[in-house]
Amino acid sequence: AQTVTQSQPEMSVQEAETVTLSCTYDTSESDYYLFWYKQPPSRQMILVIRQEAYKQQNATENRFSVNFQKAAKSFSLKISDSQLGDAAMYFCAYRSAEMNRDDKIIFGKGTRLHILP
Amino acid sequence: NAGVTQTPKFQVLKTGQSMTLQCAQDMNHEYMSWYRQDPGMGLRLIHYSVGAGITDQGEVPNGYNVSRSTTEDFPLRLLSAAPSQTSVYFCASSLTTHSPLHFGNGTRLTVT
Repeated sequence: AQTVTQSQPEMSVQEAETVTLSCTYDTSESDYYLFWYKQPPSRQMILVIRQEAYKQQNATENRFSVNFQKAAKSFSLKISDSQLGDAAMYFCAYRSAEMNRDDKIIFGKGTRLHILP
Repeated sequence: NAGVTQTPKFQVLKTGQSMTLQCAQDMNHEYMSWYRQDPGMGLRLIHYSVGAGITDQGEVPNGYNVSRSTTEDFPLRLLSAAPSQTSVYFCASSLTTHSPLHFGNGTRLTVT
């Protein structure tokens, strides 16, 4: 079974600085998707970024980028120029893309990010 | 656009009571799922469905039932509520099995 591990329960970063959130996963599959979701205090779950395993190029969305290391099964999220609105819980998630597999999206336990003014 | 709509937003139950959490989506998504979120545990999958008439169990299915009679609706039933079911519940859907999830706004359930 697949697992997703976020080893940092909490992190803090100074406003305007860069922070990297870690995520590792375990799978025997070769085709899958990885996601980062943001959950602000409003409780809403917001998709931040998506990576397809067969694409070597790291995904980027404005100030958010990932470092996808397939061999190491690592999927870290880098937030540049941190803003107060980035304060939230961040979840890493795994989804299989292979046929005839259980379609269960697996989430890590989350990293709470604090932005220091 | 409504997206994924969950009702109610808050609910308090007594132990042993039953209730249904409603989830509806208007995006014609084939895939729907229910998660519970507990402090320090992340999101854990309760049940999911890959299409109308098809449901399957996730990580923590005990004490919950689901059905998928239409593409739009995926209700979650608590048969006999227990304090251990106190949690925040999220319904989520996706267009296909390759798409990101779209989440509802969650239901905070307290069982006393």
